[in-house]
Amino acid sequence: QQQVKQSPQSLIVQKGGISIINCAYENTAFDYFPWYQQFPGKGPALLIAIRPDVSEKKEGRFTISFNKSAKQFSLHIMDSQPGDSATYFCAASSANAGGTSYGKLTFGQGTILTVHP
Amino acid sequence: DAGVIQSPRHEVTEMGQEVTLRCKPISGHDYLFWYRQTMMRGLELLIYFNNNVPIDDSGMPEDRFSAKMPNASFSTLKIQPSEPRDSAVYFCASSLRGNEQFFGPGTRLTVL
Repeated sequence: QQQVKQSPQSLIVQKGGISIINCAYENTAFDYFPWYQQFPGKGPALLIAIRPDVSEKKEGRFTISFNKSAKQFSLHIMDSQPGDSATYFCAASSANAGGTSYGKLTFGQGTILTVHP
Repeated sequence: DAGVIQSPRHEVTEMGQEVTLRCKPISGHDYLFWYRQTMMRGLELLIYFNNNVPIDDSGMPEDRFSAKMPNASFSTLKIQPSEPRDSAVYFCASSLRGNEQFFGPGTRLTVL
């Protein structure tokens, strides 16, 4: 029940296209859903995150869509650029009993995105 | 702020040797996480601390692995004895109240 399943494993997109990465979870207690971006030789870095009180969050070219009933969320990268080529991880966690903090993140397996010029 | 600092960046050792990885979290952060990343298993959480106290070590693969956080500004992950299957990139991350996790640059460990 702690798993987060991510697809596809790899994705090739042409410059200017839309990249879409999907994740599904089982644990209904999850209430924080971040996406991390990792470039080769670097640690992952937070890209964008959503909480289930909204169905969509947009930051620049990056949008998270969230479907609570289906227990799915996705990352959309509009106007994909070669500089977006990286590995993307979805993740999920739940707040502590007091609702004041989140501890353990459960990560998806990652998607290697390649954007061709 | 310099971000999360890890040392060494690269470590090559022989099977059976003790390996110690070090991490300095971002000042003021109250959570510290140790992860292992491999092609086969992805990003795995090994252990995490809150206010220097280990909260969940269920991801630590075996008794050969141990982690300590003697104070708020320092943590170690030790492998003794090391084995070739421990070869991986080990990341340390820290966060404030468990929200955004800031990852260090990682330590690439190779066990021959």
